[in-house]
Amino acid sequence: EDQVTQSPEALRLQEGESSSLNCSYTVSGLRGLFWYRQDPGKGPEFLFTLYSAGEEKEKERLKATLTKKESFLHITAPKPEDSATYLCAVQWGGNKLVFGAGTILRVKS
Amino acid sequence: NAGVTQTPKFQVLKTGQSMTLQCAQDMNHNSMYWYRQDPGMGLRLIYYSASEGTTDKGEVPNGYNVSRLNKREFSLRLESAAPSQTSVYFCASSGGRGSYGTEAFFGQGTRLTVV
Repeated sequence: EDQVTQSPEALRLQEGESSSLNCSYTVSGLRGLFWYRQDPGKGPEFLFTLYSAGEEKEKERLKATLTKKESFLHITAPKPEDSATYLCAVQWGGNKLVFGAGTILRVKS
Repeated sequence: NAGVTQTPKFQVLKTGQSMTLQCAQDMNHNSMYWYRQDPGMGLRLIYYSASEGTTDKGEVPNGYNVSRLNKREFSLRLESAAPSQTSVYFCASSGGRGSYGTEAFFGQGTRLTVV
């Protein structure tokens, strides 16, 4: 069964057009939910950690939020350099860490 | 500060050959992970080690074995490589604080092609 599901699979935005990415999960005993950014040919780069429902974290144009069963990554006024694959990961139980399939974001100027 | 180091960076194998991917971390992390990444599939967990002396299967363990040699090192072995194992392999490590997990740090990846 899918334990971490991300949507949409791909998203095309115009520069300045705000939007949100979704990550839903079905695990219990959450130890942490993590957002990463991945550029082509590179390893994932850590962005945020969220631990409990209601928590929010911000960094530049990105804001991550968490509810009981899903997280959102809000992108405000994106720029072309925000183009990347955004990955969500969930850690639970005995430190198992599972990723979603990712959302490919393209921002056109 | 090296972080997570994987070797080799690139490898071409013939079907049926065996090889071991090496991974070492210098951050004193308890947990280590092996993932494979295929186009459009995100990162899929092969095996993980929550702490020294333990290993557990992930989502796609078939065809692989692992060894947690000590706290620093976690190796991934392909006993008889198959073309379906052509992928990019990432090693990662993470610490933890009590009941909370902390972010994982990744190596630079190994690009493996099986012909």
